[in-house]
Order: sequence, then C-alpha cells, then structure tokens
Amino acid sequence: EAGVTQSPRYAVLQEGQAVSFWCDPISGHDTLYWYQQPRDQGPQLLVYFRDEAVIDNSQLPSDRFSAVRPKGTNSTLKIQSAKQGDTATYLCASSFAGGNQDTQYFGPGTRLLVL
Amino acid sequence: SQWGEENLQALSIQEGEDVTMNCSYKTYTTVVQWYRQKSGKGPAQLILIRSNEREKRSGRLRATLDTSSQSSSLSITGTLATDTAVYFCATTSSGQKLVFGQGTILKVYL
Repeated sequence: EAGVTQSPRYAVLQEGQAVSFWCDPISGHDTLYWYQQPRDQGPQLLVYFRDEAVIDNSQLPSDRFSAVRPKGTNSTLKIQSAKQGDTATYLCASSFAGGNQDTQYFGPGTRLLVL
Repeated sequence: SQWGEENLQALSIQEGEDVTMNCSYKTYTTVVQWYRQKSGKGPAQLILIRSNEREKRSGRLRATLDTSSQSSSLSITGTLATDTAVYFCATTSSGQKLVFGQGTILKVYL
C-alpha cells in the first residue's frame, strides 16, 4: 500500500512570493489533514477535510493560506505572499473515518524556507 | 496550551539502555498516542492508549496513561541506534484533531 505522498519536498522563496504544496493521501482515506511544523516544535493542525468538505480550518491564517480538496482525494495548500514566519515543514496526513480514525498516516513533508 | 511541558527536551543514551519519556496534558482526552519522527520524515504512530487502559505494550515499547494526573509515558527497552528520533505524544481534541506536545529528542549512540 502506497503511503501519503507530498510534493515538492523542498521550497525556497523570497518574502512576498506564493507557493503551493500538493498531497496525495492513502487510497480510500476520506480524511485529510494539513499541519505546520516549525523547527524544534510539534506539528500544529492547520486544516482538515472529510471528503471534499472542510471540517475545521480555525487555525488556518485565512488572509494568506488556502486549502482545497475538490474531489475528495488529492489536496493543495497554498500560501499567498509568504512571510519569513511561514518557514516550517508542512505535513499532510490522512486517515479513514470508518476504521481506526484515531490513527493518522503522515507524508514526508515539504520543507519551506522563506528568505 | 494543552500541554504541561512546553520545551523540547533532549536525551542522549547508549545503545542497550532503557529510556522513559514523559508528557503531561491539560485538557480532557480519551486517547493518547505516541509518534516517532525520524530526520526528514513525517511522524509515524508507535502506540495508542485509551483512557480505559493503564498500560499498552508493543514489542520493546511500553506506554502508560494516568488519567487522574493527566500524564503519559513511553518506555523503550534495549534501545538501538535506529531508535534515534524525536518522540511526540499527542492527544485527540474535538473530532479527530490531534494536538501534539513539543516532543523529546532521543539520541542513541553506539
């Protein structure tokens, strides 16, 4: 079974530039999560979806961050006008609500550096 | 914050030694999970312990949960160099939201 895949693996931007991250969850997983992990900290949830619906985006900085999952499979997280404080690893995870929904499977992450 | 310990802790031990990592949490949860994150990888679940369980074992791992003190521990017996990683505990908030602690950096040297 293929795991969660993410691309790109690395991104380096100047402040003010935009960037998109892409996530392909495990096949059949209906729930998809995006986390931000600053250096030397634990992952912090930004947003999560059940199928194509946003369940919770309360921690997503809505002025510059957006996330979509239009067909309930792959997802894209976008940062408009990146800031140095956005420097972090962005992790995608998926789970299956019908199974052990407490277990989330993480991708390798995208390391973002904003200069 | 949901967590009692805010700073990333670091442990350095020799291969073969046993180690125990602790975490405490502030808000009610029915599940505590322990994840391991190796360098350049995403976190991977090691063990999940529910509020009606005091202890859970998986191979060389042993997790405990004390709901009265809102604390959990993860013990690894006979550590290997490949156990070098960051270890996080996480609780489940409303719905399926995982809330991670700050983690413990474990380095196991030969």
